[in-house]
Amino acid sequence: AQSVSQHNHHVILSEAASLELGCNYSYGGTVNLFWYVQYPGQHLQLLLKYFSGDPLVKGIKGFEAEFIKSKFSFNLRKPSVQWSDTAEYFCAVTPKGAGKSTFGDGTTLTVKP
Amino acid sequence: GAVVSQHPSWVICKSGTSVKIECRSLDFQATTMFWYRQFPKQSLMLMATSNEGSKATYEQGVEKDKFLINHASLTLSTLTVTSAHPEDSSFYICSARDSGTPQHFGDGTRLSIL
Repeated sequence: AQSVSQHNHHVILSEAASLELGCNYSYGGTVNLFWYVQYPGQHLQLLLKYFSGDPLVKGIKGFEAEFIKSKFSFNLRKPSVQWSDTAEYFCAVTPKGAGKSTFGDGTTLTVKP
Repeated sequence: GAVVSQHPSWVICKSGTSVKIECRSLDFQATTMFWYRQFPKQSLMLMATSNEGSKATYEQGVEKDKFLINHASLTLSTLTVTSAHPEDSSFYICSARDSGTPQHFGDGTRLSIL
């Protein structure tokens, strides 16, 4: 079975700071990778996804993530965060071939104005 | 940490039957629960949001009479797929949270309709 580890439980940044949230997974086969965001009081929304091709994936709101296969990592990045990026971020892994998603525990991002 | 238990993990049934999936928060009170559906090679799609003691709020395109959601207590929500057909085969994942706390996911239920 696959597992997902998000190293940072709570990250606090000032506006305009750069962001990198770590995500590592363990699974023996090929996977699809996702980052989801949950803003306060709202449900989960998809930020970006990787299925194949270019390992650098760009998502909404200026977010990007890089899939490094050798490191089993899919870290989320944003060059300059805004106060509105304050949210919970979840990394998820789905084995290719209709497997279910496994989620990390989430990282809470707080951006100070 | 907080745990959300989803049962069953896999169910196979004949077309036309109804299937109930349970989502329980084991060590916290879940004032809000979410039900998601995941098709192969796709991301999660929110089906509905349920708050304890009130009717669920369904997303556009989700049939209320097809997918019955009950959130009768602070630790249990159920999703019943009524008169299931093969196109209802999918992964169904619930999540739960108390107000002001992070969201915790169940392990999902794989539904296969023959």
